[in-house]
Amino acid sequence: GAVVSQHPSWVICKSGTSVKIECRSLDFQATTMFWYRQFPKQSLMLMATSNEGSKATYEQGVEKDKFLINHASLTLSTLTVTSAHPEDSSFYICSVKQGREVDIQYFGAGTRLSVL
Amino acid sequence: DQQVKQNSPSLSVQEGRISILNCDYTNSMFDYFLWYKKYPAEGPTFLISISSIKDKNEDGRFTVFLNKSAKHLSLHIVPSQPGDSAVYFCAAGEGVRWAGKSTFGDGTTLTVKP
Repeated sequence: GAVVSQHPSWVICKSGTSVKIECRSLDFQATTMFWYRQFPKQSLMLMATSNEGSKATYEQGVEKDKFLINHASLTLSTLTVTSAHPEDSSFYICSVKQGREVDIQYFGAGTRLSVL
Repeated sequence: DQQVKQNSPSLSVQEGRISILNCDYTNSMFDYFLWYKKYPAEGPTFLISISSIKDKNEDGRFTVFLNKSAKHLSLHIVPSQPGDSAVYFCAAGEGVRWAGKSTFGDGTTLTVKP
């Protein structure tokens, strides 16, 4: 399956600063990537669908001006958390999908964001 | 409204025994289902899938059963091994070639005791 690299794995930042998270598809050209958020002991919540060369599609309730997504190439999507606040502290995970009988998602290792 | 539910937050089994993880869904439009396994501080990894045209899919020690009438699926792991200890997520989606919107359950933490 596809290999997905996510960087950084852990970031600590001060409240009010912006943080950029990178998601790379290492062996697969991904026209679409997905960004999820996971709070402790909760499920993966889809935040947005990142589309190469066009605007991302955000899920209801996700602020697009706060979570900026850029998918400039077939192998890289970035999520920027702007003006981060402590409530943005979470585990952010990206994925790409690759088809077999059904489309399977291949996930990055995730980024733990802690906002002080 | 949570469309995919994993009602057991945790499960503990003895090594060598069978582990059965359950998942219920409410959206009758779901027609394919996947199980993912997740270790702490890592992203989920795909385990096994099943489409609605089947009621069983097997891959080594892992078997997924689908009961469409009951809107229920289960993952069986036989025999269970300590390395299987992880969080297991059930996911569901509409259409084999979907837009990418899998809906995930809350996960079940499996602990396999040596």
